[in-house]
Amino acid sequence: DTAVSQTPKYLVTQMGNDKSIKCEQNLGHDTMYWYKQDSKKFLKIMFSYNNKELIINETVPNRFSPKSPDKAHLNLHINSLELGDSAVYFCASSQAPGGVMGNTIYFGEGSWLTVV
Amino acid sequence: AQSVSQHNHHVILSEAASLELGCNYSYGGTVNLFWYVQYPGQHLQLLLKYFSGDPLVKGIKGFEAEFIKSKFSFNLRKPSVQWSDTAEYFCAAYGNNRLAFGKGNQVVVIP
Repeated sequence: DTAVSQTPKYLVTQMGNDKSIKCEQNLGHDTMYWYKQDSKKFLKIMFSYNNKELIINETVPNRFSPKSPDKAHLNLHINSLELGDSAVYFCASSQAPGGVMGNTIYFGEGSWLTVV
Repeated sequence: AQSVSQHNHHVILSEAASLELGCNYSYGGTVNLFWYVQYPGQHLQLLLKYFSGDPLVKGIKGFEAEFIKSKFSFNLRKPSVQWSDTAEYFCAAYGNNRLAFGKGNQVVVIP
């Protein structure tokens, strides 16, 4: 069973469209994240939720809006997509906020977003 | 905020060669350190982690890392690499309630 699953895996869309990426974890974790990996493979955190509450919100355009309907799900909605949004988006989860006492973050397989 | 730096972004070596990847972090109190691996087209997987105890940490697939507090370093090593070790390797450090990643090392092992 996939621990952290995200859909879709590949998404090609036109500029200006609105799209969502869904994420679900079956690990019983309290904390979930969205990371963005750019074309140079640099990983940067975007958002983090703990028990459905937003705890990290990096400097991300407000076109990006996370939504956590319950502890097991954290979806990412992107409005008015731009060319620069093309990247791989990774969902992740951990038992507690990342790094605490060696707590491990588990990653999903990534969603490859291409904006044309 | 925690920051992580990795050097020698591109590493090319032959099978059976030894590998060492450097990782330095900025001081931020209690340090929790991680190495993740990303095989081509796949997600990140944990190789090993350090948060206390023995500074020499053993991970999966024959990897190990040594935490040297005085040098703010957490270098990754493998004595003899295989073609299947071709991947991107990321060092990460916990601080300010978030896990910060380095820019990664792209390792290519030639058969």
